Amino acid sequence: SQTIHQWPATLVQPVGSPLSLECTVEGTSNPNLYWYRQAAGRGLQLLFYSVGIGQISSEVPQNLSASRPQDRQFILSSKKLLLSDSGFYLCAWSTRGSGIETQYFGPGTRLLVL
Amino acid sequence: QKEVEQDPGPLSVPEGAIVSLNCTYSNSAFQYFMWYRQYSRKGPELLMYTYSSGNKEDGRFTAQVDKSSKYISLFIRDSQPSDSATYLCAANDYKLSFGAGTTVTVRA
Repeated sequence: SQTIHQWPATLVQPVGSPLSLECTVEGTSNPNLYWYRQAAGRGLQLLFYSVGIGQISSEVPQNLSASRPQDRQFILSSKKLLLSDSGFYLCAWSTRGSGIETQYFGPGTRLLVL
Repeated sequence: QKEVEQDPGPLSVPEGAIVSLNCTYSNSAFQYFMWYRQYSRKGPELLMYTYSSGNKEDGRFTAQVDKSSKYISLFIRDSQPSDSATYLCAANDYKLSFGAGTTVTVRA
């Protein structure tokens, strides 16, 4: 069966510090991968998605970047965090090429920027 | 305007009641419709999905889609305290669009 991991689970970082969040998927090959941010009462905001190694699409211009160095690894980064980067970050995967784009989410990383 | 609109609630019901959740959408190209359940501080989990218009039942859960009115519904029968969570609707054409989520509390 497929599983998706995210770490760390919780992170407290000072403003201006760098960020690296990691997501890995097991039990599937060639997945589509996604990074979302969820703010309280505002639903899920798609940040990045990737259909393959090194292929990243950005949905929202921002202080963040994403990379996909391996087929089942997706990394979210920032060089300098802002207060507004605080939130709940979710990684998700879906099966590439399926007619229905059903996404499966990881446990999330709660980021607090102080 | 968001492509999928959802009343954030909160919604509080007594145990055993029927929970009714609704979303509207604006994009006529949407073909697949999903409901996710998210417990506090956890990632969303897929509850069920439907294709085009119609009903789908899974145990105590029933999903309905009315494409003519662009309306999505989820009904939870015989609600339990363990159903207390945030429920997100979603629809897709080439990517998923999510509603903001409705927070539901089932009181014992």
